[in-house]
Amino acid sequence: NAGVTQTPKFQVLKTGQSMTLQCAQDMNHEYMSWYRQDPGMGLRLIHYSVGAGITDQGEVPNGYNVSRSTTEDFPLRLLSAAPSQTSVYFCASSYSNNQPQHFGDGTRLSIL
Amino acid sequence: QKEVEQDPGPLSVPEGAIVSLNCTYSNSAFQYFMWYRQYSRKGPELLMYTYSSGNKEDGRFTAQVDKSSKYISLFIRDSQPSDSATYLCAMRVSNDYKLSFGAGTTVTVRA
Repeated sequence: NAGVTQTPKFQVLKTGQSMTLQCAQDMNHEYMSWYRQDPGMGLRLIHYSVGAGITDQGEVPNGYNVSRSTTEDFPLRLLSAAPSQTSVYFCASSYSNNQPQHFGDGTRLSIL
Repeated sequence: QKEVEQDPGPLSVPEGAIVSLNCTYSNSAFQYFMWYRQYSRKGPELLMYTYSSGNKEDGRFTAQVDKSSKYISLFIRDSQPSDSATYLCAMRVSNDYKLSFGAGTTVTVRA
């Protein structure tokens, strides 16, 4: 049972490039979410999903897209990377909105 | 003003000491309160999960919630070097998936 798996662990991009951060969970959780973690800011919600085919915006959605075609996967797309998107990105999942969220180990992203 | 305020520390204590961490918040609708522990280069892992006011104890860890003061605390008794980590408080309103996090407090327990 792997839990929440994020790939890649590290990535360096140039400004303007696009990329997809992958997140997969094997716990049959309906709820999934993406956060970014910046020094002094805590974790901020980017996008979340309450089930396959359903997504919604969080606190800081600009510059990011998501889709949820299966229960297991919830990829995060950066459309045109900017230096302000340099951060550590965490994916999380939970069985329901009243259950605790389980986190992956993050993707460390640098935009030059 | 941030919705959840947490002293970033860092906090350095000798092994065996009691560690006291706290968060204040402004949204009186918060009803579920969590503490996560995050080791370096790892994701947050849930440590304590409490509902409304009161105390909850789990081994060396005690979580306290005072809704009247909008204040939550985490106490670590008999601290160990393995407790060295960043501790994040988080909270949410009832039936809402979205969590609001504090910035995290970095704790070092010296052997």
